[in-house]
Amino acid sequence: GAVVSQHPSRVICKSGTSVKIECRSLDFQATTMFWYRQFPKQSLMLMATSNEGSKATYEQGVEKDKFLINHASLTLSTLTVTSAHPEDSSFYICSARDLSSGNSNEQFFGPGTRLTVL
Amino acid sequence: GDSVTQMEGPVTLSEEAFLTINCTYTATGYPSLFWYVQYPGEGLQLLLKATKADDKGSNKGFEATYRKETTSFHLEKGSVQVSDSAVYFCALKGRNAGNMLTFGGGTRLMVKP
Repeated sequence: GAVVSQHPSRVICKSGTSVKIECRSLDFQATTMFWYRQFPKQSLMLMATSNEGSKATYEQGVEKDKFLINHASLTLSTLTVTSAHPEDSSFYICSARDLSSGNSNEQFFGPGTRLTVL
Repeated sequence: GDSVTQMEGPVTLSEEAFLTINCTYTATGYPSLFWYVQYPGEGLQLLLKATKADDKGSNKGFEATYRKETTSFHLEKGSVQVSDSAVYFCALKGRNAGNMLTFGGGTRLMVKP
């Protein structure tokens, strides 16, 4: 099946610094990737839809200037948490849709990145 | 808007017990329905899916049937194993939702030997 990777898997940073998280589709091309945030013991919250070659579409309540998304190629999307604060600590998960797949309904998820802001 | 409701956990079972995790949904039209599993420290993996009414998705001994009349997609397994301990998410994708998935709140399953 299609594989999506994320890097790093864990990151600890100081308050006020910026952190970049990468999401890669390893064996397929993805014009669309999705970024989710998962709070402890809670479900996933869609943050934004990342579109290759164009601006990301953010969900209501998500600050686009704080969570910068860049989808520069068909296999890579990045999420940068700018001026991180402790309340940004969370588990961030990306997913990607395989255009070549016969099943257009399926998204493939990355393993997630746990961000801890001190 | 679309929404998914699933039973709150944690669900604690003994090995070889029967599992049911309830999931109901609200959506316009005919959504596709999914169950995802998240093992500790990992991302989500698709467990099974169904795209139309009366379809039954199945994988690794788990199964769920798309019931339009009750707007449900309950997850079942006849005999759980310790290795099934994880968080299970029910999700839907509406026909007009593009690629967006709507998730339920997740149900933690703990299986004891």
